[in-house]
Amino acid sequence: NAGVTQTPKFQVLKTGQSMTLQCAQDMNHNSMYWYRQDPGMGLRLIYYSASEGTTDKGEVPNGYNVSRLNKREFSLRLESAAPSQTSVYFCASTPGQGNYQPQHFGDGTRLSIL
Amino acid sequence: KNQVEQSPQSLIILEGKNCTLQCNYTVSPFSNLRWYKQDTGRGPVSLTIMTFSENTKSNGRYTATLDADTKQSSLHITASQLSDSASYICVVTTGTASKLTFGTGTRLQVTL
Repeated sequence: NAGVTQTPKFQVLKTGQSMTLQCAQDMNHNSMYWYRQDPGMGLRLIYYSASEGTTDKGEVPNGYNVSRLNKREFSLRLESAAPSQTSVYFCASTPGQGNYQPQHFGDGTRLSIL
Repeated sequence: KNQVEQSPQSLIILEGKNCTLQCNYTVSPFSNLRWYKQDTGRGPVSLTIMTFSENTKSNGRYTATLDADTKQSSLHITASQLSDSASYICVVTTGTASKLTFGTGTRLQVTL
């Protein structure tokens, strides 16, 4: 059982380039999330999708867009990458929006912007 | 502002020893508190989830405690193993599954 799969695992971009990070889950979960993890800081929510067809901003949405392609897939797009977006990006999913549900995380995409 | 503070930032212990990690939070309203384990290069994995009415919850050699009055939690690891080397992250939920405040983690290294 793969759980949450993120691609690619590593990527280096130049400032101004665009890129889409992919995430897919095979647990039939309704809700999906994108976080970024930076040194010395806790994970911060970028965007989330409570259910198929809906997306909402999190704590740090500027510079990003998302697409909930279907129930399984939730992508994160950087339209014009900036060095401040160098980070490790994690996708997560939960069965729904109930507050007692553990989040299942992928293994991350390590993104460097030069 | 909601905050979750963890201590120590890092810890080194000998294999077989016990250790306790601390978490203090100023989050309102409080829904539940979670501990996650994050191995190097991997995503976080849930260890425990506790509501305000649960004082203790165990998962194998991991035991989490919660004092909702003082807004403190601890994670106790018994008889540590090399595989326990990881970062341990305290997370407090304020509402729905999208309302999480993450601590910065305690990095634990277990050595021979």
